[in-house]
Amino acid sequence: VQLVQSGAEVKAPGASVKVSCKTSSYTFIDYYIHWVRQAPGQGLEWLGRIHPSSGGTNYAQILHGRVTMTRDTANNTAYMELSSLRLDDTAVYYCARDGGWTTTWNGFDYWGQGTLVTVSS
Amino acid sequence: EIVLTQSPGTLSLSPGERATLSCRASQSVSSSYLAWYQKKPGQAPRLIVSGASSRATGIPDRFSGSGSGTDFTLTITRLEPEDFAVYYCQQYASSPPRWTFGQGTKVEIK
Repeated sequence: VQLVQSGAEVKAPGASVKVSCKTSSYTFIDYYIHWVRQAPGQGLEWLGRIHPSSGGTNYAQILHGRVTMTRDTANNTAYMELSSLRLDDTAVYYCARDGGWTTTWNGFDYWGQGTLVTVSS
Repeated sequence: EIVLTQSPGTLSLSPGERATLSCRASQSVSSSYLAWYQKKPGQAPRLIVSGASSRATGIPDRFSGSGSGTDFTLTITRLEPEDFAVYYCQQYASSPPRWTFGQGTKVEIK
């Protein structure tokens, strides 16, 4: 299983950024993809999830409607777009696979390598 | 809103020592949805434990998770050099679905 993310981005305040997460070696449509970020010196923050089969999403309220998660099932890729960027959106953004359930929930079992998004004027 | 509080903030230990990390929830959470992750600088988080006590694939048996209700613990019985990192607990809440992380415990070399 691999999740490979797009490269680092530098954006101005107010712009948008779209990060991709290309998956391989498993059935993409069977597992939720989550997005998590870590700002410099801070902890992990959950941003939302998408189910690749249905496209259904759930977003963290902290983003106040600025995030959109989509997917391309033909290319086994998930996307996270964040709009109206602010300086405090500077962070490393990760995608992670939700391992689903066997006898218990399997956690976020595979992660992308992270994408640094820098918001700077 | 359920808040996860991890303690201590920093644990200073020597290799070979035992580490005990605490994660306390502000209200009872489902053990099934309690996970622990290891985070090293420049690396993606790594799943250690899910379902409060099930080790993830490839995780050595010196790591163990326990707890229920509001109190959960991650124990590392004999610290190896590669175990020094920040550890986060995580839980799930429904209606609406959302995940929360604790603020992290840093395990550093003494």
